Amino acid sequence: NAGVTQTPKFRILKIGQSMTLQCAQDMNHNYMYWYRQDPGMGLKLIYYSVGAGITDKGEVPNGYNVSRSTTEDFPLRLELAAPSQTSVYFCASSYTTGGWGNIQYFGAGTRLSVL
Amino acid sequence: TQLLEQSPQFLSIQEGENLTVYCNSSSVFSSLQWYRQEPGEGPVLLVTVVTGGEVKKLKRLTFQFGDARKDSSLHITAAQPGDTGLYLCASPRGGTSYGKLTFGQGTILTVHP
Repeated sequence: NAGVTQTPKFRILKIGQSMTLQCAQDMNHNYMYWYRQDPGMGLKLIYYSVGAGITDKGEVPNGYNVSRSTTEDFPLRLELAAPSQTSVYFCASSYTTGGWGNIQYFGAGTRLSVL
Repeated sequence: TQLLEQSPQFLSIQEGENLTVYCNSSSVFSSLQWYRQEPGEGPVLLVTVVTGGEVKKLKRLTFQFGDARKDSSLHITAAQPGDTGLYLCASPRGGTSYGKLTFGQGTILTVHP
């Protein structure tokens, strides 16, 4: 059972470079999310998607872009990488349960350093 | 946006000790989730509490939801090294939230053999 798969696991970028963090889920979940996790700061929502073709900004979207062409894939694009984007990035997915809230399933993360 | 405060931020204990982690908010939670994140992995859901005063047990872990639904606690009995990790509380954002969660900053637990 793959669940949520993120690639790559580690990456080092130089300032100004660009890259795409890949995320794929095989659970047919309609909702997907991108978070960044900085030490002592919990998880901050970058972007989210409620279905193919529909995305929206979260708390910290500046410097990032997303697309969702299929239910399964939700890539995160970093343009012009900056040291402030050094972080651990997590992708998550969930399905609509209504009521008291969804359960989110997380990938193992991508550790990114911008030097 | 609802703010979730977790305490303590760090906890370092010996195997066999008991501990409690807290999650508090100035607002009422519609529900509250607890996640555990092991080093190098993503968070994994442990439990969801919904009703004020609710108590749920998961082996040596006891989760409690405050009567007023503004606070929650996680108690671990006889901690083991395998309990080491980051413990996060999270709550739905309410309204048309599309499943979005607000997370606390986490409690880093280290259990020494």
